[in-house]
Amino acid sequence: GQQLNQSPQSMFIQEGEDVSMNCTSSSIFNTWLWYKQDPGEGPVLLIALYKAGELTSNGRLTAQFGITRKDSFLNISASIPSDVGIYFCAGRGGGSEKLVFGKGTKLTVNP
Amino acid sequence: EAGVVQSPRYKIIEKKQPVAFWCNPISGHNTLYWYLQNLGQGPELLIRYENEEAVDDSQLPKDRFSAERLKGVDSTLKIQPAELGDSAVYLCASSSRSDEQFFGPGTRLTVL
Repeated sequence: GQQLNQSPQSMFIQEGEDVSMNCTSSSIFNTWLWYKQDPGEGPVLLIALYKAGELTSNGRLTAQFGITRKDSFLNISASIPSDVGIYFCAGRGGGSEKLVFGKGTKLTVNP
Repeated sequence: EAGVVQSPRYKIIEKKQPVAFWCNPISGHNTLYWYLQNLGQGPELLIRYENEEAVDDSQLPKDRFSAERLKGVDSTLKIQPAELGDSAVYLCASSSRSDEQFFGPGTRLTVL
């Protein structure tokens, strides 16, 4: 089935630094979504992307839909302690209606 | 606007016991999803409903798992009997369009 490769698995950064994480798929996707999950909570939708090359921002977060339609990245600028959590990419495509999730990037921000 | 509501938040049971989880989606969302999330993994779809119809249950282990959404609003996911390997977080999500799914807080199941 479809697989997503999300990297890095974990990141340890200092407050104020910028962060970048990415996701690649084995097939062409029509939709890319980025979620954040805090401990004990469900994933919260951050950004949704629907067109190849699309670049969308949500505050300090920016995500892009890769032009090959097989990848996406998420950038966080000027990180703050509340950015701590697990970030998941999710995508839909390859003829399937199902949303497929990556394994997540665990972000730790040191004050 | 209220989000997706799930209960209970936590459940501890012994193996071979039955367990049920309840979900109330965001008002007006016709599509409802149940996901399984194991530790260190992303959510994996178990079943998707469009109104009261299960349109994708290919990943639902039907020997012990069942789900229903009788009136096309809230839904119940049941496991009978539970096994040790069923320990995980069970997430419910809903959407008004197929891509932007909104998740509930999940039910953390521990099977002893």
